[in-house]
Amino acid sequence: SQTIHQWPATLVQPVGSPLSLECTVEGTSNPNLYWYRQAAGRGLQLLFYSVGIGQISSEVPQNLSASRPQDRQFILSSKKLLLSDSGFYLCAWTGTSGETQYFGPGTRLLVL
Amino acid sequence: AQRVTQPEKLLSVFKGAPVELKCNYSYSGSPELFWYVQYSRQRLQLLLRHISRESIKGFTADLNKGETSFHLKKPFAQEEDSAMYYCALSAYQGGSEKLVFGKGMKLTVNP
Repeated sequence: SQTIHQWPATLVQPVGSPLSLECTVEGTSNPNLYWYRQAAGRGLQLLFYSVGIGQISSEVPQNLSASRPQDRQFILSSKKLLLSDSGFYLCAWTGTSGETQYFGPGTRLLVL
Repeated sequence: AQRVTQPEKLLSVFKGAPVELKCNYSYSGSPELFWYVQYSRQRLQLLLRHISRESIKGFTADLNKGETSFHLKKPFAQEEDSAMYYCALSAYQGGSEKLVFGKGMKLTVNP
């Protein structure tokens, strides 16, 4: 069966520090991968999606970047965190049919 | 612990029939609940939030704290309503917010 992992679960970082959040999927090949963010009091916002290794699409201009170094690995990064980067980050995957999204457990990021 | 349960994985109805997509939650605090929808081959998008108390595309959802439910309803389903629907709970813990999703339910509206 397929599983999706995210780590860390919780992260507290100072302003200006770098960020690396990792998402991995098991039990499937060539998934479409997504990074979402939920800022306080709002719904989910799609940040990036990827349909294959090295293929990243950005939905909104921001302080973050994403990379997909391997088929089932999706990384969310920042060189210098801002206070506004605080939030809850969810990784998700779909099969190539794109019908059902499966979510990871999420990472809570607090930038101080 | 926070938990969102969507007890049915699949629902198939005919056009014009009423639909109710069930969602139950477990949360000790004051919940904020959402319904998200994913149409075929599209990205996930927000359908409605309980705090806005609005009707979107004919759908409504009422938060029932006594029954810890947030069922999504529409009196007359349309074919374009066919999609995956996810119920989600926003929970505050330790000064930060977390979103917990149910496993989703596939609605098929037949002509």
